[in-house]
Amino acid sequence: EVQLVESGGGLVQPGGSLRLSCAASGFTFSSYSMNWVRQAPGKGLEWVSYISSSSSTIYYADSVKGRFTISRDNAKNSLYLQMNSLRDEDTAVYYCARGFFATVFDYWGQGTLVTVSS
Amino acid sequence: EIVLTQSPATLSLSPGERATLSCRASQSVSSYLAWYQQKPGQAPRLLIYDASNRATGIPARFSGSGSGTDFTLTISSLEPEDFAVYYCQQRSNWPPTFGPGTKVDIK
Repeated sequence: EVQLVESGGGLVQPGGSLRLSCAASGFTFSSYSMNWVRQAPGKGLEWVSYISSSSSTIYYADSVKGRFTISRDNAKNSLYLQMNSLRDEDTAVYYCARGFFATVFDYWGQGTLVTVSS
Repeated sequence: EIVLTQSPATLSLSPGERATLSCRASQSVSSYLAWYQQKPGQAPRLLIYDASNRATGIPARFSGSGSGTDFTLTISSLEPEDFAVYYCQQRSNWPPTFGPGTKVDIK
């Protein structure tokens, strides 16, 4: 059974940093691209970042480019999102999602809430 | 960036009725369109990919159609568990984008 479990969310002040993790199991992690998708409270879905299976290709949404860094450790079956210079508008539930055909999100974690507030 | 619009914003139906949801793209996305279902407090679930392909484990009452700029998700006969928000998403161009969603609620 495919499982994705996010962690690392919490309350952080504007300008602060946070590192999210996503632990994967139930599939060959190193064979799949991965993504982060977020959802602000009461709002729709927004794709945040993509990383290919070998980390050779990485993309970011314009809204986070230069502030967020996606990475993965295939030996640990883990995906990460380093978030710096956080803003109020980054407040959201952050989901990790497996990429089928890169950006068909076929499996999702349960999400982790990031709240940016003073 | 490709903008997706969904209509209607809310669809009020009774169990057993047919639901027809629309998604329109600001430019052609070929057949690279997916549909997701999201229930309150839960992560989205992939229903349909590449316009008409059902994802693993998705019941046959869910079907997708369309190409280019106009797409439809049809639920042939609503079950109680189908009342949720539905999002379309394109993967034709970077960045992948989502529509604003259609809420299917109980009439």
